[in-house]
Amino acid sequence: GNSVTQMEGPVTLSEEAFLTINCTYTATGYPSLFWYVQYPGEGLQLLLKATKADDKGSNKGFEATYRKETTSFHLEKGSVQVSDSAVYFCALTSSGGSYIPTFGRGTSLIVHP
Amino acid sequence: DAMVIQNPRYQVTQFGKPVTLSCSQTLNHNVMYWYQQKSSQAPKLLFHYYDKDFNNEADTPDNFQSRRPNTSFCFLDIRSPGLGDAAMYLCATSRVGQGTDTQYFGPGTRLTVL
Repeated sequence: GNSVTQMEGPVTLSEEAFLTINCTYTATGYPSLFWYVQYPGEGLQLLLKATKADDKGSNKGFEATYRKETTSFHLEKGSVQVSDSAVYFCALTSSGGSYIPTFGRGTSLIVHP
Repeated sequence: DAMVIQNPRYQVTQFGKPVTLSCSQTLNHNVMYWYQQKSSQAPKLLFHYYDKDFNNEADTPDNFQSRRPNTSFCFLDIRSPGLGDAAMYLCATSRVGQGTDTQYFGPGTRLTVL
């Protein structure tokens, strides 16, 4: 079956530091890959996505590249802000008609001033 | 703005007292989902509707039921809440069949069971 593995948190950084949150996946075929973000007390919202190998998703300074050879979709940001403090979920939907996403366990990011 | 709306945002109920959570959407999406999320965990899918077709996850307790009277609305009924049902309940939607799998989430309902 499908699975998503994320690095354990919390990740604690100072403002303006570089961020990487690792995500690897197991799936058959060519899944679509997503990063969702959940701010405290809110629902999840799509941060970025990529639907085929070598695609780069980007939004709000965050980037992730779909790497089929390493089955990875690592999230990066060059300079984090306090407002980026949230929980980040990596997710996939598999090709072949299954629209139900598989979520990773989530990684909490805490950014200090 | 098109969106997913959940009411109430906070719900307090007593042990064993039925409760209904509401979700509405203005996105005209054909699939609506209910998730349960406990602290520091990923959302856990309870069930979903694909149009009018109800799809229950195998491990969803019978205590949880759902209704979708029309495209825009979906309800989660908890018939006899236990202390273990205290959680955040998230409604989500997606448009399946038109090339996108993105889910759109509501803000959630925080359920407290006393």
